[in-house]
Amino acid sequence: DSGVTQTPKHLITATGQRVTLRCSPRSGDLSVYWYQQSLDQGLQFLIQYYNGEERAKGNILERFSAQQFPDLHSELNLSSLELGDSALYFCASSGSSGVNQPQHFGDGTRLSIL
Amino acid sequence: GDSVTQMEGPVTLSEEAFLTINCTYTATGYPSLFWYVQYPGEGLQLLLKATKADDKGSNKGFEATYRKETTSFHLEKGSVQVSDSAVYFCALREGNTPLVFGKGTRLSVIA
Repeated sequence: DSGVTQTPKHLITATGQRVTLRCSPRSGDLSVYWYQQSLDQGLQFLIQYYNGEERAKGNILERFSAQQFPDLHSELNLSSLELGDSALYFCASSGSSGVNQPQHFGDGTRLSIL
Repeated sequence: GDSVTQMEGPVTLSEEAFLTINCTYTATGYPSLFWYVQYPGEGLQLLLKATKADDKGSNKGFEATYRKETTSFHLEKGSVQVSDSAVYFCALREGNTPLVFGKGTRLSVIA
């Protein structure tokens, strides 16, 4: 058990809809990262938050947004969904002490767009 | 920018065979290197790590040595088991930046 909790585990919706994925980091971790895993693109970094502030942005579409709340949980919002958004979405967290620390991953949310 | 290249799979081995999964990296600074494993239907789990040159990470019989001169971090295991069947990802991280992953190598071990 990594200590990172993601909900829901599975999500099935239709094109054009909007969904929210939720992540609770490990206790004490201030950084949260979101990744997308698809068959053709592999693991792609989307966005990072540190203690409520956006820290880094990767290949995140404009239709996607995220935020980190005062209790450090994070949400990833995906809107105007397209078939190509079907993927596994992972959240990871890491602590603030020391650089080059590993990230700990949740079990992911599998998003299926019909 | 930083990048990780790992051997493409799938790799199919018989039980008790020796495993090597090659990984090389490109980085501007002094990254830490990681191997993550993803079992079917699960998230990524940290398998081992090394934070500086010549460090050897090890866990569950797997080993990898941080080779700065060859910019490599190859994963090895002396005797694989069916339960090692999974996808293995090599990754690097500089400072507090996001992980940079290789494309993953699928390993299948047959009895």
